[in-house]
Amino acid sequence: AQKVTQAQTEISVVEKEDVTLDCVYETRDTTYYLFWYKQPPSGELVFLIRRNSFDEQNEISGRYSWNFQKSTSSFNFTITASQVVDSAVYFCALLNNAGNMLTFGGGTRLMVKP
Amino acid sequence: DAMVIQNPRYQVTQFGKPVTLSCSQTLNHNVMYWYQQKSSQAPKLLFHYYDKDFNNEADTPDNFQSRRPNTSFCFLDIRSPGLGDAAMYLCATSRPGTDSYEQYFGPGTRLTVT
Repeated sequence: AQKVTQAQTEISVVEKEDVTLDCVYETRDTTYYLFWYKQPPSGELVFLIRRNSFDEQNEISGRYSWNFQKSTSSFNFTITASQVVDSAVYFCALLNNAGNMLTFGGGTRLMVKP
Repeated sequence: DAMVIQNPRYQVTQFGKPVTLSCSQTLNHNVMYWYQQKSSQAPKLLFHYYDKDFNNEADTPDNFQSRRPNTSFCFLDIRSPGLGDAAMYLCATSRPGTDSYEQYFGPGTRLTVT
């Protein structure tokens, strides 16, 4: 069985603050895939990033960065200089090796206030 | 652009009146998924088709059925909707074994039961 935990259910920050969303996962697969999705109020799940288990290189994309630590089974997501448009629910997800089971964390609701 | 399309975006049905949600894809992916997402919760997998093979999750109610007449289309049938079935229904596709591995989500259909 696999599991994804997002301990922060809700975070509130003021615009321009940096914020980190935590994600911890459990799996018995040696090969797996980690994802972050953004879900704005419209409801669509927007793909942000995929990380393979064998690639621990951290990634930066504009104001977004991801820190993958296999030793602690964590895949944290940082938004630098947050903006109001970043307000959404963010889901971390784990895909098994077979590619047919995508397990979501409970989501973190981020509210960025002006 | 290749994509996952869900129609309608908003659906209102009456208690007990059968309803069908549709999903189509131009990605030529062989796997199609249906998720149910209730308010403030993570998406929950109902079932998926791997090509023509139907895979039902153990806790998916019998009230929910699915059809996949061809590669491009997949339908979700709710035979007798109850108030508890009001949710966002997300369709996703993937092609396991390829480099991307990720699931591509449609915009969702928000179902209201009156």
